[in-house]
Amino acid sequence: DGGITQSPKYLFRKEGQNVTLSCEQNLNHDAMYWYRQDPGQGLRLIYYSQIVNDFQKGDIAEGYSVSREKKESFPLTVTSAQKNPTAFYLCASGARGETQYFGPGTRLLVL
Amino acid sequence: AQSVTQLDSQVPVFEEAPVELRCNYSSSVSVYLFWYVQYPNQGLQLLLKYLSGSTLVKGINGFEAEFNKSQTSFHLRKPSVHISDTAEYFCAVSGPGTNAGKSTFGDGTTLTVKP
Repeated sequence: DGGITQSPKYLFRKEGQNVTLSCEQNLNHDAMYWYRQDPGQGLRLIYYSQIVNDFQKGDIAEGYSVSREKKESFPLTVTSAQKNPTAFYLCASGARGETQYFGPGTRLLVL
Repeated sequence: AQSVTQLDSQVPVFEEAPVELRCNYSSSVSVYLFWYVQYPNQGLQLLLKYLSGSTLVKGINGFEAEFNKSQTSFHLRKPSVHISDTAEYFCAVSGPGTNAGKSTFGDGTTLTVKP
């Protein structure tokens, strides 16, 4: 089955801790994206990658980091510098400028 | 730069009534337009899209949208809604070569279908 997966579904972070959210796709898409969604709000772009070994900051990149070592994988690290990390995180992939295919999301909570 | 405005944050409607969710966009170049649906605690899934050609686009679950270039709008419609249509709906704009393929999303419209 082709698709995009995110893990874990729920993630708990302690103060001062870095945590990594996983995103994997087998759709052979070049582009991958990370969004943050807060209650009652739309999607805000954190980082995106158009090709392996290259990525660009989105609108709210501060406190986050990514890597794109493989076409299939685009993990997001929420660092301790992100002071308000509680949110629903969505990963997506797609062809450039075209339909985006979303994963099921990871809900990050702070202990 | 491109932007999207969804004109209604919440739309309550009774079952079997028609509904329209409004979306306006701005862009200095040609655009692709999308409507996505999000059910609680899930990711988004594509309802329909406009890339080129006919301005009336039909999507899944009986939804359709009309691209109006002069009014820069892409309103979503359904002639008769069901309880199962209750969800969050997002309008998005992107385009060939614009912003390195990024999409810009509206803030969403919560559609609540009441029995």
